Amino acid sequence: ELKVEQNPLFLSMQEGKNYTIYCNYSTTSDRLYWYRQDPGKSLESLFVLLSNGAVKQEGRLMASLDTKARLSTLHITAAVHDLSATYFCAVGGGSNYKLTFGKGTLLTVNP
Amino acid sequence: DAGITQSPRHKVTETGTPVTLRCHQTENHRYMYWYRQDPGHGLRLIHYSYGVKDTDKGEVSDGYSVSRSKTEDFLLTLESATSSQTSVYFCAISEPSGGETQYFGPGTRLLVL
Repeated sequence: ELKVEQNPLFLSMQEGKNYTIYCNYSTTSDRLYWYRQDPGKSLESLFVLLSNGAVKQEGRLMASLDTKARLSTLHITAAVHDLSATYFCAVGGGSNYKLTFGKGTLLTVNP
Repeated sequence: DAGITQSPRHKVTETGTPVTLRCHQTENHRYMYWYRQDPGHGLRLIHYSYGVKDTDKGEVSDGYSVSRSKTEDFLLTLESATSSQTSVYFCAISEPSGGETQYFGPGTRLLVL
């Protein structure tokens, strides 16, 4: 059974600081997805990582995938308040394109 | 944004009552999924569909059934609602040729009293 662990689950950081969210998974996969969820809203796709060594960047967020280590990271650079949200990683590669989600990281960026 | 709607968006019901949630898509995607989201659990897959009349169970399927008679509609039924089924329910769609990303609907908040 595929297990996906995110850490930390809660992250409070100051504006302007850098931090990394980690996503570890238990079985081989080369399909990793990052989503963002604002309070009371749906999930929005952020990044799709489909190969070992893949790196994607959008604004202050950068995601990477190391399939050998079964690890993806979401790096936040110079955080701003607008980045406050819950971030989920999800691992694919299963039958019928199913995804297994981590429990999410609640990020709060304080002024 | 992917064309996905869910109805109703909010529902309050009583224990023992059957409830049906609807997911409607205008993207002609082959795959559709139902998830529930609960604090501390992330998203958990209830059922999914890989084509019209083709469905299968996810990890938390007990107490739920689904039907898909048309490409665009995927129905989730709580056969006899219980308080443990109070949750936020999300529908998602995907198309393998589109990179397999799942796109999510707006969600349905269900409260079972």
